[in-house]
Amino acid sequence: AAGVIQSPRHLIKEKRETATLKCYPIPRHDTVYWYQQGPGQDPQFLISFYEKMQSDKGSIPDRFSAQQFSDYHSELNMSSLELGDSALYFCATMTGTEAFFGQGTRLTVV
Amino acid sequence: KQEVTQIPAALSVPEGENLVLNCSFTDSAIYNLQWFRQDPGKGLTSLLLIQSSQREQTSGRLNASLDKSSGRSTLYIAASQPGDSATYLCAVFTGGGNKLTFGTGTQLKVEL
Repeated sequence: AAGVIQSPRHLIKEKRETATLKCYPIPRHDTVYWYQQGPGQDPQFLISFYEKMQSDKGSIPDRFSAQQFSDYHSELNMSSLELGDSALYFCATMTGTEAFFGQGTRLTVV
Repeated sequence: KQEVTQIPAALSVPEGENLVLNCSFTDSAIYNLQWFRQDPGKGLTSLLLIQSSQREQTSGRLNASLDKSSGRSTLYIAASQPGDSATYLCAVFTGGGNKLTFGTGTQLKVEL
């Protein structure tokens, strides 16, 4: 069965650079959530989209932005990267109220 | 604001033991509760989903219960195996904001 696909799986960027993470949801799942998981921490909600509109916003820095496109894939754009942005970034989609997570993108800022 | 806590934070048991992981949440107005497994540096694998109207769900050696009114859930793992070693996260889906709020996780190690 198709799952949530995230790309890239790994990304290394320097401080102050920009990164773009992509999420391709399970077909016919119209809701996308982004989470950030720092080392040894639980996933923290960043932002969510429903039918291409932002539906909720969590602890997302102003340096980050995201959008959902007409094909329902989503992109998380991160600018002016800081060392503290190094984390696993997960995308999840939902059917009903069951969440399915991608394998994550590991971002390392050096 | 929904807060989810898991106890214990870490657990080490010998192979074959039955064990219980605990999850508590502050806002009982949830739609469902989901248990996940996460291997180090890897993604989240959904184990069990309990709808708010349900009391428990079972999958193989796993059984999850939900007491919504008291804000608690337990994950029971029978006959633990070394392959069960991972971090277990519970997450509640709350209507306010329509998002999953994760617990702090229990790091399980099953030793030979």
